[in-house]
Amino acid sequence: DSGVTQTPKHLITATGQRVTLRCSPRSGDLSVYWYQQSLDQGLQFLIQYYNGEERAKGNILERFSAQQFPDLHSELNLSSLELGDSALYFCASSVATGHSTDTQYFGPGTRLTVL
Amino acid sequence: AQRVTQPEKLLSVFKGAPVELKCNYSYSGSPELFWYVQYSRQRLQLLLRHISRESIKGFTADLNKGETSFHLKKPFAQEEDSAMYYCALSGPNSKLTFGKGITLSVRP
Repeated sequence: DSGVTQTPKHLITATGQRVTLRCSPRSGDLSVYWYQQSLDQGLQFLIQYYNGEERAKGNILERFSAQQFPDLHSELNLSSLELGDSALYFCASSVATGHSTDTQYFGPGTRLTVL
Repeated sequence: AQRVTQPEKLLSVFKGAPVELKCNYSYSGSPELFWYVQYSRQRLQLLLRHISRESIKGFTADLNKGETSFHLKKPFAQEEDSAMYYCALSGPNSKLTFGKGITLSVRP
């Protein structure tokens, strides 16, 4: 068990709604990463936070936002949801500042279904 | 831009057969490459990384900069190797770029 936890495991909502996904990193890890996994796009990096500050952005839509709190947990907010946002959202954490050799440990994911 | 290509979606072999999962990458800098594995109903986990140069569960992967490849190999597949395998490249800030993944099915 990598120690990264994500809640909820499953989320079903309707188009136009807003949801919040939560991630708690491994103890001691300062970096948190969010990824989206969909059938057509595969696993895509969304955004990274390090010790509360945004460090890198990937293919994250403007309707999506994230933050990392002082206790290092992170939340991914998805708003104005569309059918195409249905996917598995993973959180990962690593210990360091973002060196390319950092090992990322993944959570179990949150499966979002937009109806 | 960094890109990872896994050309095959599925590889099905019999137990004891050799396995090679292909991965090619495109990256302007010095790449850090990883293989991640996802067993059924489990989370994504690191299998191995090229800088470690180690063998995990009998798997090895060699970085070939000339061919820009990082193929995953195992001489004798086991049924418990059946899983989804992702090749990934780490760029600035450890942002991982993943390939589309390949399903390895090892039949008894």
